[in-house]
Amino acid sequence: RKEVEQDPGPFNVPEGATVAFNCTYSNSASQSFFWYRQDCRKEPKLLMSVYSSGNEDGRFTAQLNRASQYISLLIRDSKLSDSATYLCVVTNYGGATNKLIFGTGTLLAVQP
Amino acid sequence: ETGVTQTPRHLVMGMTNKKSLKCEQHLGHNAMYWYKQSAKKPLELMFVYSLEERVENNSVPSRFSPECPNSSHLFLHLHTLQPEDSALYLCASSQGRRLSSYEQYFGPGTRLTVT
Repeated sequence: RKEVEQDPGPFNVPEGATVAFNCTYSNSASQSFFWYRQDCRKEPKLLMSVYSSGNEDGRFTAQLNRASQYISLLIRDSKLSDSATYLCVVTNYGGATNKLIFGTGTLLAVQP
Repeated sequence: ETGVTQTPRHLVMGMTNKKSLKCEQHLGHNAMYWYKQSAKKPLELMFVYSLEERVENNSVPSRFSPECPNSSHLFLHLHTLQPEDSALYLCASSQGRRLSSYEQYFGPGTRLTVT
């Protein structure tokens, strides 16, 4: 089983739609959770951290369910500029460093 | 210049060549990372340096050799690579001794093609 699993998509949605991405992780000891965004042929950039209580940043809402080892990202009122690959990331503690474990990403294409 | 920079942006090399990738961070961070991103695969962590000390070597073949002369610079020396090493190599930096709990800032990457 992969450490972090995501539906690769692509998700093709019209502008203004609401879209949700899911992610599952295998290590129950994982401590920190993030969503990164990667535009085509660009580097990943942090979109938002994911907190146990859930958190919202404008049109973006992230949720964490530790019992089910599941993370979600909801995007409301999709914009063309939201088109990108969304990477689910978890951290696992180990030794002198914590490791960032990346999912393969979910591709979102927002259509006009 | 700000953020994390990487040079070269593109590199084509033969299997017998020796080349180096360079990364520089202007953020005052004390940890730096090398990742490999291949098509259809997740980012793979290769090396981690914290305060110029290598703290992680993720079972990377010896044909990849990292060097961290100071907290702002990171190199990846390449020699006798294989075609399957063709990928996007990303450098990142972060702040804090407790690595990876802090946001990582990525450079634009070096797209490497091994012929």
